[in-house]
Amino acid sequence: EVQLVESGGGSVQPGGSLRLSCAASGYMFSSHWMGWVRQAPGKGLEWVANMDQDGIEKYYVDSVKGRFTISRDNAKNSLYVQMNSLRAEDTAVYYCVRMDWASVDCWGQGTLVTVSS
Amino acid sequence: DVVMTQSPLSLPVTLGQPASISCRSSQSLVHSGGNTYMNWFQQRPGQSPRRLIYQVSHRDSGVPDRFSGSGSGSSFTLKISRVEAEDVGVYYCMQGTHWPFTFGPGTKVDIK
Repeated sequence: EVQLVESGGGSVQPGGSLRLSCAASGYMFSSHWMGWVRQAPGKGLEWVANMDQDGIEKYYVDSVKGRFTISRDNAKNSLYVQMNSLRAEDTAVYYCVRMDWASVDCWGQGTLVTVSS
Repeated sequence: DVVMTQSPLSLPVTLGQPASISCRSSQSLVHSGGNTYMNWFQQRPGQSPRRLIYQVSHRDSGVPDRFSGSGSGSSFTLKISRVEAEDVGVYYCMQGTHWPFTFGPGTKVDIK
């Protein structure tokens, strides 16, 4: 069974940093693009970033460019996102997602990030 | 960015009756390679989203056949042939043709 388990969420002050992790299991992690999608409380879904199997191609939504960095460790079956200079508008549940055919075929349970003073 | 528009945003339905959600994109979703990367997701209350349909009309494994997707270019539809109680939730369309991938605002389906 494919599983994606996020961790690392929490509360942080504006301007602070957090690193989210996603542990993948049940499939060959190194064969899939991976990404992060977020959902602000009571709101819709927003793509944040994604990356290819080898960590060479990386894409970010404009609102996080220069502040977020997506990365992966195929040896550890793990995906990460380093989030710096956090803003109130980054408050959301962050989902780790497995991608296929320019889509998402598996979602984690999400981890909540709250940016507030 | 490609803007995805859904209608209606709220859809009260009667159990056993059909339901239909429309999604339009601000640009054609036909990729240069020929595929159309249009997807539909269901998010039940308190749960993570789940994909129902990919590439316009391909149903994911385990998705009941009462769900179907259709459309082309920039106009797409998700249909539920006979709504069941477990179909309550928010439905999102999503395009994967142009970066950044974008979602529609969601259509909330509930039972009358």
